[in-house]
Amino acid sequence: KAGVTQTPRYLIKTRGQQVTLSCSPISGHRSVSWYQQTPGQGLQFLFEYFSETQRNKGNFPGRFSGRQFSNSRSEMNVSTLELGDSALYLCASSLDLGGQPQHFGDGTRLSIL
Amino acid sequence: GESVGLHLPTLSVQEGDNSIINCAYSNSASDYFIWYKQESGKGPQFIIDIRSNMDKRQGQRVTVLLNKTVKHLSLQIAATQPGDSAVYFCAEGSNYQLIWGAGTKLIIKP
Repeated sequence: KAGVTQTPRYLIKTRGQQVTLSCSPISGHRSVSWYQQTPGQGLQFLFEYFSETQRNKGNFPGRFSGRQFSNSRSEMNVSTLELGDSALYLCASSLDLGGQPQHFGDGTRLSIL
Repeated sequence: GESVGLHLPTLSVQEGDNSIINCAYSNSASDYFIWYKQESGKGPQFIIDIRSNMDKRQGQRVTVLLNKTVKHLSLQIAATQPGDSAVYFCAEGSNYQLIWGAGTKLIIKP
């Protein structure tokens, strides 16, 4: 069974631009969560999607948004990029809403210049 | 606010020795605790979990201990191998959300 797939693996953007990251969950998993990881920090929860609806949300500004499609694939969008948005963005999937354990992809490394 | 933290940011262990990684948590209502391992360039990988109604759980070469009295969680790795080099995260769960600690880097000395 294929794991969680995130694309692209690396991305370089400039301030003010927007970016869309993609996540394909494990087949059969219906919940997708997104996390931001910065150097020296733990994982900061962004949001969780289940059945195409955002069910839980972390403490991030509205520039961070996401969506989930009927096949459970998810995208995350960040608008008006700031230097502080440079981070590793991780996607995790689980069978159900709030399900544990979550299975993580290898992330998208976003660098803002 | 509630938080999960780690006592040591870096732990160096001789290959073959046992490793103990510690974690403190503050939310006494947390009912689920997880350990993840993150190798360089990869996403976190699930190691083992434990529910609050247990105080010990064993896996393959790993044991998690939960002490609810002092709100302490530990991960023990037996016979540490070079492949165990990684950052280890503990996380506590309640209300379907996880709160993550900052991580401990485990270094294996040959």
